[in-house]
Amino acid sequence: IAGITQAPTSQILAAGRRMTLRCTQDMRHNAMYWYRQDLGLGLRLIHYSNTAGTTGKGEVPDGYSVSRANTDDFPLTLASAVPSQTSVYFCASSLIGTSAPGELFFGEGSRLTVL
Amino acid sequence: AQKVTQAQTEISVVEKEDVTLDCVYETRDTTYYLFWYKQPPSGELVFLIRRNSFDEQNEISGRYSWNFQKSTSSFNFTITASQVVDSAVYFCARGGGSGNTGKLIFGQGTTLQVKP
Repeated sequence: IAGITQAPTSQILAAGRRMTLRCTQDMRHNAMYWYRQDLGLGLRLIHYSNTAGTTGKGEVPDGYSVSRANTDDFPLTLASAVPSQTSVYFCASSLIGTSAPGELFFGEGSRLTVL
Repeated sequence: AQKVTQAQTEISVVEKEDVTLDCVYETRDTTYYLFWYKQPPSGELVFLIRRNSFDEQNEISGRYSWNFQKSTSSFNFTITASQVVDSAVYFCARGGGSGNTGKLIFGQGTTLQVKP
């Protein structure tokens, strides 16, 4: 059972470089999310997608972009990385639109260090 | 912003002690959902529970129990007879309301250390 697969697991990146974090789910969930986790701040939503073809901004969207070309994939792109984007990034998915929101299923995280 | 606050940054207990993790939330929504997630040292996030705003009945699952008090906007989590394997970061989160019901607002997390 794969669930959500994130890649890479870990990456060190020079400031100014472009980076795409990949996320794939095999649960056919309609909604997907990107969160970043920082010590003392918990998890903060970067971008989300309710369904393929649509995306929305979360709490901390600046410097990030996403796309949702199909149900399964939801890549997160840092166009020009900055040190403040050093974080652990979690992709998640859930089933929405039913009577109650489903739980979020998380990937294992991608640790990104921007130097 | 409608926040979720976990005032306890770190808690340390000795095995077999009971421990309660506090969670206070803000919301203007009538319908909302509350969650707890566990993040063990391995880093993955594990779903523990979801409650909706219309159900204030306390829930017990093994050594875990949850106390939802709408009057105080709190959703506290108690571990009875703690074990070393309970050592983790625990996150409380709120979701639901209007729009996308899948977006969650997380608290800052409480690091629980259970010593043998």
